Amino acid sequence: DAKTTQPTSMDCAEGRAANLPCNHSTISGNEYVYWYRQIHSQGPQYIIHGLKNNETNEMASLIITEDRKSSTLILPHATLRDTAVYYCIVKDNAGKSTFGDGTTLTVKP
Amino acid sequence: DTAVSQTPKYLVTQMGNDKSIKCEQNLGHDTMYWYKQDSKKFLKIMFSYNNKELIINETVPNRFSPKSPDKAHLNLHINSLELGDSAVYFCASRRGDSPLHFGNGTRLTVT
Repeated sequence: DAKTTQPTSMDCAEGRAANLPCNHSTISGNEYVYWYRQIHSQGPQYIIHGLKNNETNEMASLIITEDRKSSTLILPHATLRDTAVYYCIVKDNAGKSTFGDGTTLTVKP
Repeated sequence: DTAVSQTPKYLVTQMGNDKSIKCEQNLGHDTMYWYKQDSKKFLKIMFSYNNKELIINETVPNRFSPKSPDKAHLNLHINSLELGDSAVYFCASRRGDSPLHFGNGTRLTVT
C-alpha cells in the first residue's frame, strides 16, 4: 500500500507556479520523500527528493513541513510539457518504493 | 548513453507462449526492480534484486521468474502468457537511498 496520499488531479495555467501537495503522515525519521513524474507512457522520471530541509534543483523545489508529515512540489513556471502524472513516494524499510495513483497535472495555455 | 535499457520495446505474442524481457543498467547500481503498469496506469512493484539476491517478491504468479546474472542485469521471464499479462513493464535501478532510474518500458500485448 502506498504510504502517501495526493489529489487525483490539478490544473495550472502556463507560466504560473504549480504546487502539488502530498501527505505522508506515517513517514519515519530516516525516510526520504521522492518525487517522480510520468509523461504519457514513458518511464517515470526523477524530479527531486528530500529528508528534512527544503530542496531546490533545476526542475523544481520541494518544501517539507517541519513535522515531515506533508510536502509540496513546486514547479515555478509551469509549461505545457510539464503536463504529466506526478508521484510522491516514500521508500519503506523493506526497500520498496510504492507508487500510488499520483496527481495528474494538466498545464493549460 | 542510456542508463537503464530494456529490450524489446514492444512485444506482441499469443497466449500460452513463453517470453523474456531484458534489462541492463550502466550506472553501477546495486539494486534493480521490475514494475508492472496496467491499463489503469497503476505502477506496481513486482520484484527487486540487490547484488543478484532477490529481496522483494510481491504477490506475482509463479509464471513470472526474474533472473539476475550479475548486478547490471535483471531479466524477466514469463511462462504461459495470459491476456491479463498485457501491460507495460518497467525496469528500474538505484543505489541505496538514491533516486530510482527507470527504463523506457516494454509494452507487452498478449493476444
